[in-house]
Amino acid sequence: KAGVTQTPRYLIKTRGQQVTLSCSPISGHRSVSWYQQTPGQGLQFLFEYFSETQRNKGNFPGRFSGRQFSNSRSEMNVSTLELGDSALYLCASSQDLTDTQYFGPGTRLTVL
Amino acid sequence: DQQVKQNSPSLSVQEGRISILNCDYTNSMFDYFLWYKKYPAEGPTFLISISSIKDKNEDGRFTVFLNKSAKHLSLHIVPSQPGDSAVYFCAANRGAQKLVFGQGTRLTINP
Repeated sequence: KAGVTQTPRYLIKTRGQQVTLSCSPISGHRSVSWYQQTPGQGLQFLFEYFSETQRNKGNFPGRFSGRQFSNSRSEMNVSTLELGDSALYLCASSQDLTDTQYFGPGTRLTVL
Repeated sequence: DQQVKQNSPSLSVQEGRISILNCDYTNSMFDYFLWYKKYPAEGPTFLISISSIKDKNEDGRFTVFLNKSAKHLSLHIVPSQPGDSAVYFCAANRGAQKLVFGQGTRLTINP
């Protein structure tokens, strides 16, 4: 089975721009979660989607949003980018909400 | 509010010896605990998990121990190999709630 894929792998943006990241879960997985990893903060939970519905949300500003499509693929969007948004954004999928999560390689976002 | 803590940012172990990575948690409602390994420029890879109804789970060279009364879990790697050099994250959750990660411990295996 193919693993979780994320596109793009690397992205450079400037302050004020917006960005959309994409995640394709493992085939058959219906739950997708997003995390932000920064050197000082570790892995911080952004949100989780299951059957196109957001089930959980972390403590991030409204500039961070996401959605899930009927094929379980998910996108996250960050608007009005700030320098502090520079991070590795990780997507993880699981069969259901209580199953083990498997991570993709991440998208490295750099905001200049 | 750091519910899951890995107090050692780094650990250095000689090849062939035992590596012990520690993790403490504060939320007694957590009922499922996991360890992930992460190499640079890659996403975390699931290693091993343990349910709160158990106190030990073993998978090859990896063993996770859970001490509920102390709210402490540990990952033992025996014997340690150079390929084990990575950042290790412990994580915990309850039911369908979000997974909460520790800060990570960088393990270096020296030849």
